[in-house]
Amino acid sequence: DGGITQSPKYLFRKEGQNVTLSCEQNLNHDAMYWYRQDPGQGLRLIYYSQIVNDFQKGDIAEGYSVSREKKESFPLTVTSAQKNPTAFYLCASSMTSASSYEQYFGPGTRLTVT
Amino acid sequence: QKEVEQNSGPLSVPEGAIASLNCTYSDRVSQSFFWYRQYSGKSPELIMSIYSNGDKEDGRFTAQLNKASQYVSLLIRDSQPSDSATYLCAVNIAGSSNTGKLIFGQGTTLQVKP
Repeated sequence: DGGITQSPKYLFRKEGQNVTLSCEQNLNHDAMYWYRQDPGQGLRLIYYSQIVNDFQKGDIAEGYSVSREKKESFPLTVTSAQKNPTAFYLCASSMTSASSYEQYFGPGTRLTVT
Repeated sequence: QKEVEQNSGPLSVPEGAIASLNCTYSDRVSQSFFWYRQYSGKSPELIMSIYSNGDKEDGRFTAQLNKASQYVSLLIRDSQPSDSATYLCAVNIAGSSNTGKLIFGQGTTLQVKP
């Protein structure tokens, strides 16, 4: 089955700890994205990558870091510098041709930091 | 002014009725438009994409695009209780026409009452 997987589904961490969220896709998509969703709000873009070994900051990149060493994988690290890390994190992927910017989402990781 | 605006709702319709969801956007050069459905606690699911002016139908769903007036709408015919969800409008903004970046509205919550 083709799709996007994220793990874990739920994650609990203590304040001051870094945590890495996994995102893997087997859709052969070039582009991958990380979003954050807070209750009652839309999606905000954290980072995105169009090609291996390259990525760009989104609207709320502070306190986050990413890597893109493989086409299939785009892990997100939430660092201790992120002031309000508790949120629902969504990974998505898409092709990069203008006729097909449809983004497909993984199931998400719900992070709680106390 | 927000780049993509939706009425947060809730929009309440009786079962079997037509639900009409609206979205306006500020970037005149936007080319790609998407509707996602998000059930509570789940990730967004792509249900419609539209790229040119006019109507696009897929089963009970019809997307309507009017670039001159900068709005895109989603009609759901014969609404079912299972259609109760939050519907997110997303727009590929002109400045990122070669990156696939999407801007999301905050979503409209639809309630279909039996």
